[in-house]
Amino acid sequence: SQQGEEDPQALSIQEGENATMNCSYKTSINNLQWYRQNSGRGLVHLILIRSNEREKHSGRLRVTLDTSKKSSSLLITASRAADTASYFCATDGTGTASKLTFGTGTRLQVTL
Amino acid sequence: DTGVSQNPRHKITKRGQNVTFRCDPISEHNRLYWYRQTLGQGPEFLTYFQNEAQLEKSRLLSDRFSAERPKGSFSTLEIQRTEQGDSAMYLCASSLGTAKVNEQFFGPGTRLTVL
Repeated sequence: SQQGEEDPQALSIQEGENATMNCSYKTSINNLQWYRQNSGRGLVHLILIRSNEREKHSGRLRVTLDTSKKSSSLLITASRAADTASYFCATDGTGTASKLTFGTGTRLQVTL
Repeated sequence: DTGVSQNPRHKITKRGQNVTFRCDPISEHNRLYWYRQTLGQGPEFLTYFQNEAQLEKSRLLSDRFSAERPKGSFSTLEIQRTEQGDSAMYLCASSLGTAKVNEQFFGPGTRLTVL
């Protein structure tokens, strides 16, 4: 079963705009990770944020984590057409770090 | 190429046939995972190895599914007596994780179509 949900399910923006995706989850976590998936392909790891971190940056990506609300957001600044993909958040639970539990994904479309 | 590789990339089979997929993880990674992804959904966990030991199996992994990692390197996932409901993308991931950090890197997946 899915851990939670991404919001929105689909997002369409123009190149140069910022894109914000939200993720909610249900149980306590060790880490939260964001992945990108181009249509029909494997997942590309974007960023990992630990449960004791609140914000993390990587290039044009900014991730926040609010463990009290069990939510995270991914911001992509100055979007490009190449950012068109599905984005998933994934969590691993407290205790032993093993399986990831994924959300349902946000489909991002960046148009020229 | 030092990433996770999977073979074959695509597999079309008839219902009732057996299929086997292979995953080669990043060489120094001791953890290997299998996930299944159906259209429009996020990946769902199937099973997990640490070295050659299979440490966790999902309830999704029925008795028709078996996974091995005999030497702690590559892994195989076999599905016996395939059913149309087995059609999905099968993803493999690996990690060199401590107890606190579990950054998983995924392969390109094997897309299975059961006719």
